Amino acid sequence: GAVVSQHPSRVICKSGTSVKIECRSLDFQATTMFWYRQFPKQSLMLMATSNEGSKATYEQGVEKDKFLINHASLTLSTLTVTSAHPEDSSFYICSARDGGSGQPQHFGDGTRLSIL
Amino acid sequence: AQSVTQLGSHVSVSEGALVLLRCNYSSSVPPYLFWYVQYPNQGLQLLLKYTSAATLVKGINGFEAEFKKSETSFHLTKPSAHMSDAAEYFCAVSPTDAGNNRKLIWGLGTSLAVNP
Repeated sequence: GAVVSQHPSRVICKSGTSVKIECRSLDFQATTMFWYRQFPKQSLMLMATSNEGSKATYEQGVEKDKFLINHASLTLSTLTVTSAHPEDSSFYICSARDGGSGQPQHFGDGTRLSIL
Repeated sequence: AQSVTQLGSHVSVSEGALVLLRCNYSSSVPPYLFWYVQYPNQGLQLLLKYTSAATLVKGINGFEAEFKKSETSFHLTKPSAHMSDAAEYFCAVSPTDAGNNRKLIWGLGTSLAVNP
C-alpha cells in the first residue's frame, strides 16, 4: 500500500520550455502533498506544501511564479517549472501524506530534469 | 528551532557486520521520528517510524531503531549488513505540537557502503 507514482521519470528539454511533473497517490487519499528538490549528494530541500483545493505554501526563497503547484484532487498534484533554465536542472521528488504530521510521507521515484 | 543531526556522512561496513547509523534531534517535546532509505536515482522509501508507542521500532529489511528520550537519539541498526543495503539513509523529525501542515525536518543523510 501507500504507492505514489511520479511522472515523468526523466525530462530533457531546451531552455525556455515549461515542464509539468505529475504526482499521484494510487491507493490512498493524499490530504497533503510535498514537493522537494534534491541536489547531488545532498539532502532534500522542501520547495512547497500543498493541500487539496488550497494554494500551495512555498518555502522561503522558492519562486511561486516559477514553480507552479496545483493540487486539484486528493490523488493528484502537479508541479510546473515555467520557462525552465539550466539552473533549474535538478532531481525533483514529490511525496504524499494521508493525515497529520504523525503519518509518514510516501515518496514518488523522482524526476530528473535536465535543461539544455 | 528543531534540528536533526546525522553523525557520519559516510559509513562503511563489511558484509555481515553490524550497521549503526546515528541520528540525534533537538526538541523540547519528543517529536515523531522517521528513517528513510534512498537508492540511486530513486525516491525515498520509509524504513520505520516512531510515533510515541514502543521505543524499539522494527522496520522493513531487518532494520530497527530505538528511541532514547534521555539521549535525544533515534539510531538505526541492522545486525548483519547485506550488499543490497548500500544506499543513502535519511533521518527526519516532525514536531508533535504543531498543526497538520508541519513539514519534516531532514538530516543531511548518511551514505552506507557495504564491502564484500
